Amino acid sequence: DTEVTQTPKHLVMGMTNKKSLKCEQHMGHRAMYWYKQKAKKPPELMFVYSYEKLSINESVPSRFSPECPNSSLLNLHLHALQPEDSALYLCASSQAGGRELFFGEGSRLTVL
Amino acid sequence: GENVEQHPSTLSVQEGDSAVIKCTYSDSASNYFPWYKQELGKRPQLIIDIRSNVGEKKDQRIAVTLNKTAKHFSLHITETQPEDSAVYFCAATQYNNNDMRFGAGTRLTVKP
Repeated sequence: DTEVTQTPKHLVMGMTNKKSLKCEQHMGHRAMYWYKQKAKKPPELMFVYSYEKLSINESVPSRFSPECPNSSLLNLHLHALQPEDSALYLCASSQAGGRELFFGEGSRLTVL
Repeated sequence: GENVEQHPSTLSVQEGDSAVIKCTYSDSASNYFPWYKQELGKRPQLIIDIRSNVGEKKDQRIAVTLNKTAKHFSLHITETQPEDSAVYFCAATQYNNNDMRFGAGTRLTVKP
């Protein structure tokens, strides 16, 4: 299984809602990533978990809250988002740092 | 994290021609240089990578060259085909480092 699975594929939420994005991999990878991608821009690193511990937090606003319940799962909890947070959120995993990233298909988020 | 500059931002070639995309990096400690391809509406996928102990790596029509002294590396695509049309991203990091950031991207269009 070489897949990274993200749910939901699409999410529309209001600025007062609370929602979560989920990511799952069963490749035994120990590093998991959240990226944000706006149209015609590169993926922008948000968070990295290494061995289930948060190793990188790119000064992301607290309305984004990551969670890594176990080595296969990665969540991104969303609360009080702004319209400018609308983007494609990509999850990725790798065997370790500095190795090939395997991306999920992404969750396209629209904040109204 | 490492900052990578990527040029050109757009590139248009005729089918069968070669395409070259260049990236420069600033941190001399960087030793892992991957290239990702993102087709429209799809996830980024690794197409080739190189570590700093070699100067060139080839995989069929794709090659990457690395100049450690000048701190730049390039992606070469020969005999381009319409299916090579995509956005290509470079990155530079240290092997075993989780901090994977991408260049701004190059939109390659191959005209039939």
